[in-house]
Amino acid sequence: DGGITQSPKYLFRKEGQNVTLSCEQNLNHDAMYWYRQDPGQGLRLIYYSQIVNDFQKGDIAEGYSVSREKKESFPLTVTSAQKNPTAFYLCASKLRDRNQPQHFGDGTRLSIL
Amino acid sequence: GQQVMQIPQYQHVQEGEDFTTYCNSSTTLSNIQWYKQRPGGHPVFLIQLVKSGEVKKQKRLTFQFGEAKKNSSLHITATQTTDVGTYFCVQGSNYKLTFGKGTLLTVNP
Repeated sequence: DGGITQSPKYLFRKEGQNVTLSCEQNLNHDAMYWYRQDPGQGLRLIYYSQIVNDFQKGDIAEGYSVSREKKESFPLTVTSAQKNPTAFYLCASKLRDRNQPQHFGDGTRLSIL
Repeated sequence: GQQVMQIPQYQHVQEGEDFTTYCNSSTTLSNIQWYKQRPGGHPVFLIQLVKSGEVKKQKRLTFQFGEAKKNSSLHITATQTTDVGTYFCVQGSNYKLTFGKGTLLTVNP
């Protein structure tokens, strides 16, 4: 979806290092999400945010942190506490209405060096 | 939270054959969404079903929502190689969506 930009496309992390994945949207969407996808698996929710300066833990929040200082930005930090960070990370956003679909970015592939 | 179970996990078909994936929940769903993810890509929204017994069609794709709103299906008629990908059913409340594990469809030309 052209309105959501994730960067970088590929990222490598060293042991003990924190890394931050960027997600920016220009769709004026209220809610933003971070998912993790492992090979051959579905999407698991890490964190989501309904409005600026507010966010909630998803199903697998341990070892991750987020911020929502601006409506259009929702960066995800993968901390050193996340022992198995290698995965495909997807950011999504949607309008407030329950019946609206999620729009996804192209994703970031994170690997451990 | 609510869980949706999706079957089969994998399906390989010959081009031209039909394909169906099923999504089941133990609880009543307010709505169900379907997404498609091409290999190496990101999920793309296909459709949303809201009403009991609802049936919607998109060209060769037919989506159904069960009468009890506990199950849904996606049927593709006469598959093509462009149909390759993983199909996810998704349920959720206002903000939080839960993805099924998906059905990976491969098509032999």
